[in-house]
Amino acid sequence: GQQLNQSPQSMFIQEGEDVSMNCTSSSIFNTWLWYKQDPGEGPVLLIALYKAGELTSNGRLTAQFGITRKDSFLNISASIPSDVGIYFCAGRSGGSNYKLTFGKGTLLTVNP
Amino acid sequence: SAVISQKPSRDICQRGTSLTIQCQVDSQVTMMFWYRQQPGQSLTLIATANQGSEATYESGFVIDKFPISRPNLTFSTLTVSNMSPEDSSIYLCSASGQGDGYTFGSGTRLTVV
Repeated sequence: GQQLNQSPQSMFIQEGEDVSMNCTSSSIFNTWLWYKQDPGEGPVLLIALYKAGELTSNGRLTAQFGITRKDSFLNISASIPSDVGIYFCAGRSGGSNYKLTFGKGTLLTVNP
Repeated sequence: SAVISQKPSRDICQRGTSLTIQCQVDSQVTMMFWYRQQPGQSLTLIATANQGSEATYESGFVIDKFPISRPNLTFSTLTVSNMSPEDSSIYLCSASGQGDGYTFGSGTRLTVV
C-alpha cells in the first residue's frame, strides 16, 4: 500500500524559531493535507493543497505541494507555545479513491 | 467544513463486551470514514462507511469485529465487538464532501479492562 515518510519524527525548538517538516511518497498524490492534533482531540485541518507546485499560507503556516506530486512541506514561522502538538501530513491519490494515507507525525515541542 | 460530533468521548469497558460509537455530521457529506489511532501512533483507516450499503473494510479489519452502519448522509456508527485489551485505542470518525476538506471528530478514547 501507499506510504508516506514524514520527517522529522520530533522537534524541540525555542519560541520564535521557524520550523520545517516534510513528507515524501514513492507514489503520486493529487491532494496533500496538513493536520495538527492536540492531546485528547481529533486532527484539525491546517492547510489543503490540490495542485502541483501550489504554495498556500494560513497565518504563520505555509505549505507547498511538490512539483513531482510526491512530496509536500509545512513551514511554521515565529513559533509560539501553542504550536505544540503533533503534525500529520496526509495524501489522497485522487480519482475515485477518497481514502487518505497519513504520515507518522511530527511531534513539535516549543520551549518558551 | 462540516462539524462532527462523536460520542462517547471516552469509555472503559469490560473485555468481551461491545461498544457502539456514534458520529453525527452537521451537514450532508459524501464520504464518512472510521480510523483507529493507537497511543503515540498515526491514524489507521478501518473502513469507509457507505450510505445504504455495506462498509468497505481495509486489510486487517473485518465486519464481524467492527460492524459499521450508515443509514443516511449525516450519521454513522462503529461498533467494536467482543472487545479485548488490544482494542484499547482512540477511534476517530472523519467526513468529506467531495474528496476535500476532510474533517475529524474529537475521537473516542476506549480502554478495555
